[in-house]
Amino acid sequence: LAKTTQPISMDSYEGQEVNITCSHNNIATNDYITWYQQFPSQGPRFIIQGYKTKVTNEVASLFIPADRKSSTLSLPRVSLSDTAVYYCLVGDMNRDDKIIFGKGTRLHILP
Amino acid sequence: NAGVTQTPKFQVLKTGQSMTLQCAQDMNHEYMSWYRQDPGMGLRLIHYSVGAGITDQGEVPNGYNVSRSTTEDFPLRLLSAAPSQTSVYFCASTKRSSQRSNEQFFGPGTRLTVL
Repeated sequence: LAKTTQPISMDSYEGQEVNITCSHNNIATNDYITWYQQFPSQGPRFIIQGYKTKVTNEVASLFIPADRKSSTLSLPRVSLSDTAVYYCLVGDMNRDDKIIFGKGTRLHILP
Repeated sequence: NAGVTQTPKFQVLKTGQSMTLQCAQDMNHEYMSWYRQDPGMGLRLIHYSVGAGITDQGEVPNGYNVSRSTTEDFPLRLLSAAPSQTSVYFCASTKRSSQRSNEQFFGPGTRLTVL
């Protein structure tokens, strides 16, 4: 199972773009990179998943360099409601039975 | 669809008591899992199931049992509760063969306190 490393916490201001980087040096060829968001007292919620280059959806973008040893979750124009914990996971549930959550990044958006 | 449901929402137990946390999903997902989350920590995988009749251990299985007799239900049993099992428990399900194969749908959680 590929291990991930993320910053423990980050602060940013409303309206700014926030980039959270995740390191996964031993990612396997078939592994996907997946990000989750968790608000207090709630279960995590899927944000985005990618394999290479760039993936964009209505809430975020995911940038993956060619070597895939890291990835960056980009949140455009954050608001106070984006304050949450963000988890980076690496694996492929079609092949692996276990997907392990790390400690995540606690993002605090300031007014 | 109700998604993933968990009962109860809150529970207080005394040391040594047993109980079952219920989890159900109506999305016909083959994969289901149980996590625990301690204050300020990430989620740790307790047990998981890749289909009815099949279960396996995660990172922290000691003190817990599971069974999967149907696709919909995946109960978690605490055999003899200990204060170290005080935590929030999340159940999740996934349709592994989908395009977003790593997308797990989480329930609202059960907050358990063991005195």
